[in-house]
Amino acid sequence: AQTVTQSQPEMSVQEAETVTLSCTYDTSESDYYLFWYKQPPSRQMILVIRQEAYKQQNATENRFSVNFQKAAKSFSLKISDSQLGDAAMYFCASYNAGNMLTFGGGTRLMVKP
Amino acid sequence: EAGVAQSPRYKIIEKRQSVAFWCNPISGHATLYWYQQILGQGPKLLIQFQNNGVVDDSQLPKDRFSAERLKGVDSTLKIQPAKLEDSAVYLCASSLSGGTGFYEQYFGPGTRLTVT
Repeated sequence: AQTVTQSQPEMSVQEAETVTLSCTYDTSESDYYLFWYKQPPSRQMILVIRQEAYKQQNATENRFSVNFQKAAKSFSLKISDSQLGDAAMYFCASYNAGNMLTFGGGTRLMVKP
Repeated sequence: EAGVAQSPRYKIIEKRQSVAFWCNPISGHATLYWYQQILGQGPKLLIQFQNNGVVDDSQLPKDRFSAERLKGVDSTLKIQPAKLEDSAVYLCASSLSGGTGFYEQYFGPGTRLTVT
């Protein structure tokens, strides 16, 4: 079984600043993927960034990057140059063979102008 | 490309009533998922279809929930009878395949159910 834990229910960041969202996971799988999803108030879940467990290099997508610490089972998301449109719920998720997604409880990100 | 469509967007019912949700996946996507998202929590997988067959329904409360995907395209999720704790957003997602490797799941806007 997989578990995903997000210990920060809410985070706040000033516009243009950088914020890091935390996530820890547990899995017995050797082959897995990790994701960060964004869910704006309209509720449509959008994939932000993904990381293959076998890759040592941290994934980067424009202003979004991850810090993947496999031994520590940690997978944090860094958002640089935060924008008002980044305000949303962010979910960390793990994925194993069989296409099963397991989500964490989410972190609400607020962006202050 | 059209996204995952769901209807209705909102539904309010009384406990012990029945309700049905509809999902139309992205064209060509073989795999369809139903998730339950209780307020303040992450989505939880209820059932996964591969074409018109069930891959996983281990977390579906089968005494009251049922789902079908006739002809391997559209899907309906039904609750009968509803309980107060069923109040949640029901998300539908689809992906190209459910086999090995990574296949991105695309989510619909969800149906917000309120049981009073």
